[in-house]
Amino acid sequence: EIVLTQSPGALSLSPGERASLSCRASQSISSDYLAWYQQKPGQAPRLLIYGASTRASGIPDRFSGSGSGTDFTLTIRRLEPEDFAVYYCQQYGWSPQTFGQGTKVEIK
Amino acid sequence: QVQLQESGPGLMKPSETLSLTCTVSGSSIRIPYYWGWVRQTPGKGLEWIGSFLHSGTTFYSPSLKSRVTISEDTSKNQFSLKLSSVTAADTAVYYCARAGSGSYRHWFDSWGQGTLVTVSS
Repeated sequence: EIVLTQSPGALSLSPGERASLSCRASQSISSDYLAWYQQKPGQAPRLLIYGASTRASGIPDRFSGSGSGTDFTLTIRRLEPEDFAVYYCQQYGWSPQTFGQGTKVEIK
Repeated sequence: QVQLQESGPGLMKPSETLSLTCTVSGSSIRIPYYWGWVRQTPGKGLEWIGSFLHSGTTFYSPSLKSRVTISEDTSKNQFSLKLSSVTAADTAVYYCARAGSGSYRHWFDSWGQGTLVTVSS
């Protein structure tokens, strides 16, 4: 199965700063079958991005996804207080679909 | 807006069969979208268990396939997960979710709140 490695494991930033989260796949993910989720404590994951770069319904445009092949990035342009959470990538191009281990974005 | 709600036992003993139900409102499980189960543990993180399409394909994670069954009850607009011979390693928060498409290559755009299942003797 495909292993997704997210880095860094944790990111300490201040509101207003830019966050850049990486997701690297152990083999190429065809047709950009990659999604990003946000999860806050005690809540279910929330879909942010699918198809590597398409924002889900209702997601603010400060969230953007990019990349292809094995290297993908989630960028949060200007962090809002509600953006501090854990972020996961998911590949669904190969079965079984798999998730990364997560990146925690915490307040500096 | 679709809403999903998991229900099931919170505590189980090793070797028992876990049975969870997902009740869906705001959408029919008959629509041509996949529905699935994902679990989350502190150690392994998020893990896809399996997905199904109404009156169509059901597929499972190879690591769990021998122990998992997903089924649907369209009369109640529910779907269920059964996981046999549970061990402490199956202790997790279990989520039901709706996929964003009818393709077997799918992400999940709507999730239940999750239910914690603890396996302990």
